Amino acid sequence: EAGVAQSPRYKIIEKRQSVAFWCNPISGHATLYWYQQILGQGPKLLIQFQNNGVVDDSQLPKDRFSAERLKGVDSTLKIQPAKLEDSAVYLCASSFGLGEKLFFGSGTQLSVL
Amino acid sequence: AQRVTQPEKLLSVFKGAPVELKCNYSYSGSPELFWYVQYSRQRLQLLLRHISRESIKGFTADLNKGETSFHLKKPFAQEEDSAMYYCALRGTGFQKLVFGTGTRLLVSP
Repeated sequence: EAGVAQSPRYKIIEKRQSVAFWCNPISGHATLYWYQQILGQGPKLLIQFQNNGVVDDSQLPKDRFSAERLKGVDSTLKIQPAKLEDSAVYLCASSFGLGEKLFFGSGTQLSVL
Repeated sequence: AQRVTQPEKLLSVFKGAPVELKCNYSYSGSPELFWYVQYSRQRLQLLLRHISRESIKGFTADLNKGETSFHLKKPFAQEEDSAMYYCALRGTGFQKLVFGTGTRLLVSP
């Protein structure tokens, strides 16, 4: 089966600029996750969708981060404006449903200069 | 609050030696524990989960509720086991998956 697709693979921006990441989950997977992984740390959940509804966004810095999954399939994560501390790998994952096995994408490596 | 601790950043062993990657957790309820692995230039993927009680690639992990631990073990390490290993916990009611900081396993010939 096709895996979770993410783009771009790499992005370099200057602080205060905006950036967007895209994720296409595995077909049929209702649950979609965005994780942030800072160098030397484990992945941290930013937001979790069940279809097009938000299940958990408690760790999403809502003053600068936003995410949507309008049709319950693809999702975009946006940062506006970016800060130096946003430099990280942003991982998208999907699962068939809540509590099911997660499948991860390759991630987008963001560098904020 | 859920917390996962992996005390070792790096574990270096020789091929054929036993391996134990440590994981301790903090959670007041009944957690679900997982080990995820990321091989070089590959995606993060599930290795095993405690409810399955299975051995994957020779690895096993037993949930010890008394010691709040979920250590990953393999009796004879192989070079292809070299990777980054993450312990993760999910609380009851399909709560979010919380990851530890990871341990890099390096198996030398």
